[in-house]
Amino acid sequence: NAGVTQTPKFRVLKTGQSMTLLCAQDMNHEYMYWYRQDPGMGLRLIHYSVGEGTTAKGEVPDGYNVSRLKKQNFLLGLESAAPSQTSVYFCASRPSGSAYEQYFGPGTRLTVT
Amino acid sequence: DQQVKQNSPSLSVQEGRISILNCDYTNSMFDYFLWYKKYPAEGPTFLISISSIKDKNEDGRFTVFLNKSAKHLSLHIVPSQPGDSAVYFCAAHPLQGGNQFYFGTGTSLTVIP
Repeated sequence: NAGVTQTPKFRVLKTGQSMTLLCAQDMNHEYMYWYRQDPGMGLRLIHYSVGEGTTAKGEVPDGYNVSRLKKQNFLLGLESAAPSQTSVYFCASRPSGSAYEQYFGPGTRLTVT
Repeated sequence: DQQVKQNSPSLSVQEGRISILNCDYTNSMFDYFLWYKKYPAEGPTFLISISSIKDKNEDGRFTVFLNKSAKHLSLHIVPSQPGDSAVYFCAAHPLQGGNQFYFGTGTSLTVIP
């Protein structure tokens, strides 16, 4: 049982490049989330999904797109990376119902130069 | 605007003593609160939670207190151990319109042996 995994662990991009971050969970969770963590800002929600084929915007969605084609995977895309997107990105999942505990992946450290 | 605030960026405590981490929130619609612990280069892990219908929840050395009228919660760790040294985030979930979670900025706890 791997839990929540994220690929890649590290990445350096040049401004304007694109990339996709992959999150996978093997717990059959309905809900999945993408957060970014910046110094002094805590965790901020980018996008989330309440089930396969659904996505919704969080607090800071601009510059990002997401897709949830399969229940176990949640992809975060940056179409044209900017230095302001330098951050640590965390994916999380949780089951539906009243269990609000989220399970987090190990994070992806992204640097945009 | 930050709806969940942790006003102490850091805290140092002697081993064996009590650690008290504080969290304040502004949204009265929050009905569920969680604490997560995060070690460097890892994702957050769930620690303890509390529903707004309770004012206290205990799990071993960890106790969370909720004061709804003050919009304040606190995490008590007794006795503190060096392995408790980590960043602690509080998070809140709203009753209405709420698949989102709102995180505080975190408090870095150092337990001194």
